Amino acid sequence: EVQLVESGGGLVQPGGSLKLSCAASGFTFSGSAIHWVRQASGKGLEWVGRIRSKADSYATAYAASVKGRFTISRDDSKNTAYLQMNSLKTEDTAVYYCSDGDSGAWGQGTLVTVSS
Amino acid sequence: DIVMTQSPDSLAVSLGERATINCKSSQSVLYSSNNKNYLAWYQQKPGQPPKLLIYWASTRDSGVPDRFSGSGSGTDFTLTISSLQADDVAVYYCQQYYSTPRTFGQGTKLEIK
Repeated sequence: EVQLVESGGGLVQPGGSLKLSCAASGFTFSGSAIHWVRQASGKGLEWVGRIRSKADSYATAYAASVKGRFTISRDDSKNTAYLQMNSLKTEDTAVYYCSDGDSGAWGQGTLVTVSS
Repeated sequence: DIVMTQSPDSLAVSLGERATINCKSSQSVLYSSNNKNYLAWYQQKPGQPPKLLIYWASTRDSGVPDRFSGSGSGTDFTLTISSLQADDVAVYYCQQYYSTPRTFGQGTKLEIK
């Protein structure tokens, strides 16, 4: 069974940093692209970015709203992807999901709250 | 960026009746080299992550009931639920994966009339 589990969310002040993790199991993690998507409370889905596999040179892409502040990485030896979030703004408050680009599976999400 | 626009924003349908949700992209998501439409549909219930229903515009994901169907090509797409069940109450999103950023529609809230 494909499973993705996000962790690392929490409360952070504006301007602060946070690193989310996405632990995967049940599929060949190293061969899959991993996407991050966020959803503010009561709002729609916003694609944040993705990282491709080693075969595709670990290429990353980001939404304009987070480019230059967020960085996606992965450790295939740990079957884990990461979302490093810097210079956080109040508008980054959301549930953050990771998803497998091949199977379409999603994790349950982790809540990030940016507030003073 | 490709803008995805869904209609209607909300929809109320009686149990057993047909529900239709539309999705329009600002540019074609049909890749000519493989004749595939890079369009997916998701279902999201309260407190849950989105669930993939349809990919390649018309291919049902594994385990998705056959009352769900997707159609369309190029820039205009439709998700149809042939006979609405109570369990289908949710918000439905379309998403293009033709190019980055992988944009979503704003969502359509489906309720029981």
